[in-house]
Amino acid sequence: IAGITQAPTSQILAAGRRMTLRCTQDMRHNAMYWYRQDLGLGLRLIHYSNTAGTTGKGEVPDGYSVSRANTDDFPLTLASAVPSQTSVYFCASSDTAQNEQFFGPGTRLTVL
Amino acid sequence: GQNIDQPTEMTATEGAIVQINCTYQTSGFNGLFWYQQHAGEAPTFLSYNVLDGLEEKGRFSSFLSRSKGYSYLLLKELQMKDSASYLCAGMDSNYQLIWGAGTKLIIKP
Repeated sequence: IAGITQAPTSQILAAGRRMTLRCTQDMRHNAMYWYRQDLGLGLRLIHYSNTAGTTGKGEVPDGYSVSRANTDDFPLTLASAVPSQTSVYFCASSDTAQNEQFFGPGTRLTVL
Repeated sequence: GQNIDQPTEMTATEGAIVQINCTYQTSGFNGLFWYQQHAGEAPTFLSYNVLDGLEEKGRFSSFLSRSKGYSYLLLKELQMKDSASYLCAGMDSNYQLIWGAGTKLIIKP
């Protein structure tokens, strides 16, 4: 059982390029989340999805988009990357929005 | 606004007890979570409190006072592997987690 996986593990990206971070879970969880984690700051929610087919904006959604075509996958797209998007990105899932969240291993993204 | 406050760093000795405090302000309240995060790894769930009082889980316990907007995580019989960051998160009325910046716990032999 893999749980929740993310790809790539790390990426260096030129500013202005488009990038999609992948997230897949095999726990049949309804809710999924994307966070970014920056030094000295708490995890910040970018986008979330409470169930397949629906998405919502979190605290810091600008410059990012998501889709939730099915239960398992929740990709995060940076349409035109900027250096301020350099961060560690974590995908998470939970059975329902009220329950504890399980995190993927993270993607370390550097935008130059 | 919504806010979670916790100390940036704490140091403790192997075998001892340490208490990590957290104060929270959220729009509505649906519980308080504690997560552990080792350096370079993902956060992992430790505990959840929604009612006042102490929840004990092995060497780890978590306490909540809703009237004071306060929680603490108590770690007993500290081991070197407990060196990690401990993240406090409050769940707001929209069931979204508001995260603290984390407390880095350093364990010395």
